[in-house]
Amino acid sequence: AQSVTQPDIHITVSEGASLELRCNYSYGATPYLFWYVQSPGQGLQLLLKYFSGDTLVQGIKGFEAEFKRSQSSFNLRKPSVHWSDAAEYFCAFSSMDSSYKLIFGSGTRLLVRP
Amino acid sequence: SAVISQKPSRDICQRGTSLTIQCQVDSQVTMMFWYRQQPGQSLTLIATANQGSEATYESGFVIDKFPISRPNLTFSTLTVSNMSPEDSSIYLCSVEEGRGSGEQYFGPGTRLTVT
Repeated sequence: AQSVTQPDIHITVSEGASLELRCNYSYGATPYLFWYVQSPGQGLQLLLKYFSGDTLVQGIKGFEAEFKRSQSSFNLRKPSVHWSDAAEYFCAFSSMDSSYKLIFGSGTRLLVRP
Repeated sequence: SAVISQKPSRDICQRGTSLTIQCQVDSQVTMMFWYRQQPGQSLTLIATANQGSEATYESGFVIDKFPISRPNLTFSTLTVSNMSPEDSSIYLCSVEEGRGSGEQYFGPGTRLTVT
């Protein structure tokens, strides 16, 4: 069965520290992968996407993610977190088998300490 | 990317009533989607709405409870019918860009509270 797992429900980092949010997927081939951010009271904003090619993808707001086929992972990273990054982060994927519908992970809530 | 607006942004409704949520896009799109996000939860797809055809509902969602209209390529509505407190959620519409990729852009959501 296709699924996306975000193992961390909450993560707390200090402002200025680096960040890595984990995402693992279960699918037999390479899916299309996405990271979205949802700030309090807001809709979802697409941070970055991976379709093919270079496995390190750059997104908006200084975020990047690396696709690792051997680990079925697509972890989100940022070298220096800002207080405004506090939000809920969702990993999602789509595939031919899901008729390209988005399948979302359960989300990781990021808290930023001053 | 497309700019998507939703109305209303929030509402408080009494049980047994219905609410229609509007989704407007600033460009023509083929695929539109409606999602529900229950408190503290991730997103669950309710249905896919293509212009000119009946909406396709996901398992657990039925047309009588969540009727959807898609009269043209820039607009869709979702109605939450005969509401109960369990329908209290954020409802989001999205559109797909890059046909067949799953890349979606979301509206700001409608926060519904049923009392």
